[in-house]
Amino acid sequence: QKEVEQDPGPLSVPEGAIVSLNCTYSNSAFQYFMWYRQYSRKGPELLMYTYSSGNKEDGRFTAQVDKSSKYISLFIRDSQPSDSATYLCAMNDYKLSFGAGTTVTVRA
Amino acid sequence: DTGVSQDPRHKITKRGQNVTFRCDPISEHNRLYWYRQTLGQGPEFLTYFQNEAQLEKSRLLSDRFSAERPKGSFSTLEIQRTEQGDSAMYLCASSPGTGQGNTEAFFGQGTRLTVV
Repeated sequence: QKEVEQDPGPLSVPEGAIVSLNCTYSNSAFQYFMWYRQYSRKGPELLMYTYSSGNKEDGRFTAQVDKSSKYISLFIRDSQPSDSATYLCAMNDYKLSFGAGTTVTVRA
Repeated sequence: DTGVSQDPRHKITKRGQNVTFRCDPISEHNRLYWYRQTLGQGPEFLTYFQNEAQLEKSRLLSDRFSAERPKGSFSTLEIQRTEQGDSAMYLCASSPGTGQGNTEAFFGQGTRLTVV
């Protein structure tokens, strides 16, 4: 079993819809949780960074962490075609462990 | 550009040749990471440095791989006797972290290696 599990999708939604992404993990030592966006053939770009349980909002993006369930989520409101990318969850004790990434397509 | 810089962006090499990649982290970032990513997968940890000290190497990093970070600034990743299975994107990241915390990591654009 991988330390971080993420459904690879693909996920296709119409423009304006809410995109919901999630990951589960097994390592209780993880304290920091991140979401990255990656466009094809590019490096991952940090979107959000959360410490411990709770919610964090940044514009159209909301990250949620539930450490008791070992479950993290990312919501994208009012999705745009430019949000089409692969979204990677990552979490760490001293190094980052990544999920496989979910490919999202927002249809105009 | 003050982000993480990687060179080259693309490398095509013949099987059995040696290749070396370079990473320049964000200035004053203490931690530097190397990851490998294959198509459809998330990045896999290879190794990381705290300043010039290499603190951990993944079992993915066979003895054909070696990484250095002299003087705690830029880093190089060398692959000797390349194999077709080494074809991947090699990603470098840096973070300001000095302990378990503060590990917000920023990635470079990667070096795409193709072994033919």
